[in-house]
Amino acid sequence: GENVEQHPSTLSVQEGDSAVIKCTYSDSASNYFPWYKQELGKRPQLIIDIRSNVGEKKDQRIAVTLNKTAKHFSLHITETQPEDSAVYFCAASRVTGGGNKLTFGTGTQLKVEL
Amino acid sequence: DAGVTQSPTHLIKTRGQQVTLRCSPKSGHDTVSWYQQALGQGPQFIFQYYEEEERQRGNFPDRFSGHQFPNYSSELNVNALLLGDSALYLCASSYRGLSYEQYFGPGTRLTVT
Repeated sequence: GENVEQHPSTLSVQEGDSAVIKCTYSDSASNYFPWYKQELGKRPQLIIDIRSNVGEKKDQRIAVTLNKTAKHFSLHITETQPEDSAVYFCAASRVTGGGNKLTFGTGTQLKVEL
Repeated sequence: DAGVTQSPTHLIKTRGQQVTLRCSPKSGHDTVSWYQQALGQGPQFIFQYYEEEERQRGNFPDRFSGHQFPNYSSELNVNALLLGDSALYLCASSYRGLSYEQYFGPGTRLTVT
């Protein structure tokens, strides 16, 4: 089955700096890669996603890149703000007519310091 | 437009008991997935329901079972509870036909003593 590795496990940055979180996946047939943000005690919130036919996607201060050959994808947050502090999870899925099972990474605790 | 809702919010059960958790998908969604999130870890896929049938299943024992109703809501049942079943149980909904995105509910925190 699919295996997703995520690093770093913790990341501390100064407000205004950029943050990068990296993930690798094992199943070359995976075609969908979402990123979720989870604040303490709250639900995972979908913040951005990318499909395998696209190499990069951007939404305001966040962007995701995908390298299918190397089987890795990354989340980039620019101009970080204190409200970006949370746990971020990457996930991978092989979306087929039979369903969409997300396999998650182990999470990155991002702390944005003033 | 209501998002994904789950009930109850918290639940305390004793080892060996049975529990039922409930989920209502986001309006317009027809697919429900269940995930288990242990403390400090990422969610783990339990199973997914579409058209009232289990479509995919993760590496969970048969003690975990589910059901989807005609109105697309879903239940997760866990029998013979173990201490290790203590976790946050998340429900996610999606629309199988148009999009890949899964949106999560607030979860049910299950504590087994």
